[in-house]
Amino acid sequence: GAVVSQHPSWVICKSGTSVKIECRSLDFQATTMFWYRQFPKQSLMLMATSNEGSKATYEQGVEKDKFLINHASLTLSTLTVTSAHPEDSSFYICSASFAGGTDTQYFGPGTRLTVL
Amino acid sequence: GQQLNQSPQSMFIQEGEDVSMNCTSSSIFNTWLWYKQDPGEGPVLLIALYKAGELTSNGRLTAQFGITRKDSFLNISASIPSDVGIYFCAGQPSKSSGDKLTFGTGTRLAVRP
Repeated sequence: GAVVSQHPSWVICKSGTSVKIECRSLDFQATTMFWYRQFPKQSLMLMATSNEGSKATYEQGVEKDKFLINHASLTLSTLTVTSAHPEDSSFYICSASFAGGTDTQYFGPGTRLTVL
Repeated sequence: GQQLNQSPQSMFIQEGEDVSMNCTSSSIFNTWLWYKQDPGEGPVLLIALYKAGELTSNGRLTAQFGITRKDSFLNISASIPSDVGIYFCAGQPSKSSGDKLTFGTGTRLAVRP
């Protein structure tokens, strides 16, 4: 199956700093990538949908100026958490899908963000 | 955001037992998916369902797409210790992989050897 990687797998940062998380599709071209956030013992909540070359579409309640998404190529999307605060500590997971197919989304392994 | 109702929330069973869990929605989905998530990892797709009434198996797993398109069921037969994890259903409005998923609340499965 298709492989999606995320980097870093975990990060610890100080409050007020910015953190960038990368999501890569390793063996396919992904026209659409999705970013999810998962708090402990909870489900995955979609944050935004990212299409290559265009602006991301954010879900209601997700601040686009705080969670910057860039999908500059068909194999890479980045999520930058700006001015991170402890309440942003969470498990961030991306997924990627093939262009125009009925194939499913493939999920990355997740990035654990801890803001001190 | 919207979440699908999944039940039970958790199950603690004996190895070898069968497991059933279900997922319901107030709205229609045209694709239902079942995922398993191990601690600290991303979800892994188990079964995808694309047609109302469809019954699909993957080894010891069987899932069904409800006729009303508002629910789905997952059964695991003869459970083994490695079945431990969190199982999530997910609904998608269309059959396109570019469509966003709505996840269920999850069922946490523990298996006693």
